Amino acid sequence: EDQVTQSPEALRLQEGESSSLNCSYTVSGLRGLFWYRQDPGKGPEFLFTLYSAGEEKEKERLKATLTKKESFLHITAPKPEDSATYLCAVQASETSYDKVIFGPGTSLSVIP
Amino acid sequence: SAVISQKPSRDICQRGTSLTIQCQVDSQVTMMFWYRQQPGQSLTLIATANQGSEATYESGFVIDKFPISRPNLTFSTLTVSNMSPEDSSIYLCSVEPGGAEQYFGPGTRLTVT
Repeated sequence: EDQVTQSPEALRLQEGESSSLNCSYTVSGLRGLFWYRQDPGKGPEFLFTLYSAGEEKEKERLKATLTKKESFLHITAPKPEDSATYLCAVQASETSYDKVIFGPGTSLSVIP
Repeated sequence: SAVISQKPSRDICQRGTSLTIQCQVDSQVTMMFWYRQQPGQSLTLIATANQGSEATYESGFVIDKFPISRPNLTFSTLTVSNMSPEDSSIYLCSVEPGGAEQYFGPGTRLTVT
């Protein structure tokens, strides 16, 4: 069964303290892996798509990487405005339609 | 990308009633998706709606409980029927306008009393 897990469940960082969030996935074939940011009371906001192992994407203080079994979201020198829940999702290649499976998310708090 | 709006943004409903949620997108898209996000949890796909065909429901979701309409390429509705307190959730629609990534609406927060 296709599955996505994320760790840690919650993370508190001091402003400027870099860290990484993990997303582990089990699918028969990966079509794409996605990272989203979700603020309280809002819909998820798209951040990155990764398609193959070794691929990296960057946006401001965020950098996403992908291996064959997991993805990391690296946050460099975070600021309080980076506080949010970060969701990882995968799309499997064996599905006949564009179903995306979401992980449970990591709640990030950045303390000034 | 795509800009998506949902109505209503929130509602409080009585047990046994129904609520229809509207999703409008600013461009024509083939597929629209409806998700449920229960308090403190991640997103669960309810169904996929293609224009001109019946929606495809995920395991655990049935058409009688969550009927979906898709009358054109920019609009869809989800109805939550015969509601119970367990239906209290955020309901989100999303679209896939070009690449593989999905773009989400702001959500509808439903409370059933």
